[in-house]
Amino acid sequence: GDSVTQMEGPVTLSEEAFLTINCTYTATGYPSLFWYVQYPGEGLQLLLKATKADDKGSNKGFEATYRKETTSFHLEKGSVQVSDSAVYFCALRGTGSGSRLTFGEGTQLTVNP
Amino acid sequence: NAGVMQNPRHLVRRRGQEARLRCSPMKGHSHVYWYRQLPEEGLKFMVYLQKENIIDESGMPKERFSAEFPKEGPSILRIQQVVRGDSAAYFCASSPRGGGAVSYEQYFGPGTRLTVT
Repeated sequence: GDSVTQMEGPVTLSEEAFLTINCTYTATGYPSLFWYVQYPGEGLQLLLKATKADDKGSNKGFEATYRKETTSFHLEKGSVQVSDSAVYFCALRGTGSGSRLTFGEGTQLTVNP
Repeated sequence: NAGVMQNPRHLVRRRGQEARLRCSPMKGHSHVYWYRQLPEEGLKFMVYLQKENIIDESGMPKERFSAEFPKEGPSILRIQQVVRGDSAAYFCASSPRGGGAVSYEQYFGPGTRLTVT
């Protein structure tokens, strides 16, 4: 079945540092890939997505590229801010799984001033 | 446009009681999904519903759990005879459509945090 593996957290960075959160997946066919962000006490918000190989999703300075050869969708940001502190979830929607999303375990990011 | 609404936000139940969680999708959305987030884990799919139909319940525990999405009113996730292991955050998401080749975004509610004592 489909699965998503994220780098273990938590991750603590200083403001303006470079961020990478690794995400790899297992799925048949050509899944769509997503990054969601969850701020404390809130639901998940879609951060970015990519629907086919080599697509790059981007939003709010965050980027992730759909790499089919390495089955990866790593999240990056060049300069993090304190306001980026949240939990980040990588997810996929498989071609054979209907509409449901399969999530990774989540990575807690804390950015210190 | 109001987002996905869930209530209650926090629910405390004693073992053996029933829990009812409600989800009102975004306006114009007719597809609802329920996910469960156990402590220190990611979200796990439970069930996918359209109005008056269960489309995919492959993630629902076989016993004590049920879900509905009536023609009128919110979607309800019901847990009968709750046990401590049911303590989790339950998230609802909605989308305008589902399935097919296009990836329709799912919009998530704030979640209901269930605590079983």
